[in-house]
Amino acid sequence: QQQVKQSPQSLIVQKGGISIINCAYENTAFDYFPWYQQFPGKGPALLIAIRPDVSEKKEGRFTISFNKSAKQFSLHIMDSQPGDSATYFCAASNTGKLIFGQGTTLQVKP
Amino acid sequence: DSGVTQTPKHLITATGQRVTLRCSPRSGDLSVYWYQQSLDQGLQFLIQYYNGEERAKGNILERFSAQQFPDLHSELNLSSLELGDSALYFCASSKRAGAVYNEQFFGPGTRLTVL
Repeated sequence: QQQVKQSPQSLIVQKGGISIINCAYENTAFDYFPWYQQFPGKGPALLIAIRPDVSEKKEGRFTISFNKSAKQFSLHIMDSQPGDSATYFCAASNTGKLIFGQGTTLQVKP
Repeated sequence: DSGVTQTPKHLITATGQRVTLRCSPRSGDLSVYWYQQSLDQGLQFLIQYYNGEERAKGNILERFSAQQFPDLHSELNLSSLELGDSALYFCASSKRAGAVYNEQFFGPGTRLTVL
């Protein structure tokens, strides 16, 4: 019930393309869904987050789509750039502690 | 730079030893969280402190303990170290204790290697 499942494990996208990462959760008590970006040797950095009463949130090239009935949410990176190459983690929380997905390694080819 | 600092950056020690990892939260943040990141387990929540008091516990081993001091910095103590404890340990901080858009900001981590 506490798991967050993330897919794909890895993703290769051409520069300018759209990167899509998906997550699914079981616990309907979760009420906060952030995405983190992590570069090698660095800590995870908060990218964008959403609450379940909102179906979509956009910040620049990054968009979260949220489907409460399906218990799924996804990250879309528009106009993907080589600088976006990193590992992305979805997470969910309802008590403060974050439950993370397994991560997606994104490579954007120039 | 998230504003969360962690020391040391790297730590190499032997099995059976004890180490202390230190974290200073962002200015104004009262809550500190500890996470462990390993290849096989991913990012896992260990423990949370809020304003000096333990708030939540995750999959933290009994050999591990933590505390938050009056100046709000936190320390994670790992004892009787085993090879499997080798991992990245991250500290995160946030303004509040609960969820409800409680943004957590992560430090750069401490890489622990147990030989």
